[in-house]
Amino acid sequence: DGGITQSPKYLFRKEGQNVTLSCEQNLNHDAMYWYRQDPGQGLRLIYYSQIVNDFQKGDIAEGYSVSREKKESFPLTVTSAQKNPTAFYLCASSRDREDYGYTFGSGTRLTVV
Amino acid sequence: GENVEQHPSTLSVQEGDSAVIKCTYSDSASNYFPWYKQELGKGPQLIIDIRSNVGEKKDQRIAVTLNKTAKHFSLHITETQPEDSAVYFCAASRVTGGSYIPTFGRGTSLIVHP
Repeated sequence: DGGITQSPKYLFRKEGQNVTLSCEQNLNHDAMYWYRQDPGQGLRLIYYSQIVNDFQKGDIAEGYSVSREKKESFPLTVTSAQKNPTAFYLCASSRDREDYGYTFGSGTRLTVV
Repeated sequence: GENVEQHPSTLSVQEGDSAVIKCTYSDSASNYFPWYKQELGKGPQLIIDIRSNVGEKKDQRIAVTLNKTAKHFSLHITETQPEDSAVYFCAASRVTGGSYIPTFGRGTSLIVHP
């Protein structure tokens, strides 16, 4: 079955360490997105990529970095510069820039201690 | 930029009742309005959407209405069941840098009591 896989489901890191969240899709979708979800805040866009080797900052990109070397993969690195990294992170994809509906992964809950 | 307000933040109903969630948006250029359902510990799933050239759309027990003049749209769930319990998000999409990027509401936690 096609879908988006995020791993791991739970992640714990010490303050000051960088951490990379994995997102893989086998839907042959061109566009991929990273969102952060905090209680009562809804979904906020971190980064998005419409094609391989290209990505754009979203509303809250500071302290995060991404890469898009393959169509199937869009990893997110949470750097030590992110002041409040503990959150639920969601990856999504869509067929192309004009395909409006998103398919979401099941998320990664990151806890920084 | 776009701003989406969603109400209520929590909605509690008895099984079999109807539930209505309302959203307003600010950017008249938005022309695509999806609704997502998120169950505990999972990612959101698209359940229904509506485009600006349509006023109402229905899919079994779920319907969405859109009033472009007033810039508001609503999700209606009839004959609610306990499995409808989840967080529901509305979104409004407009072109940003050549791509459609949605702005999400803050979510409504729907609780259906058996």
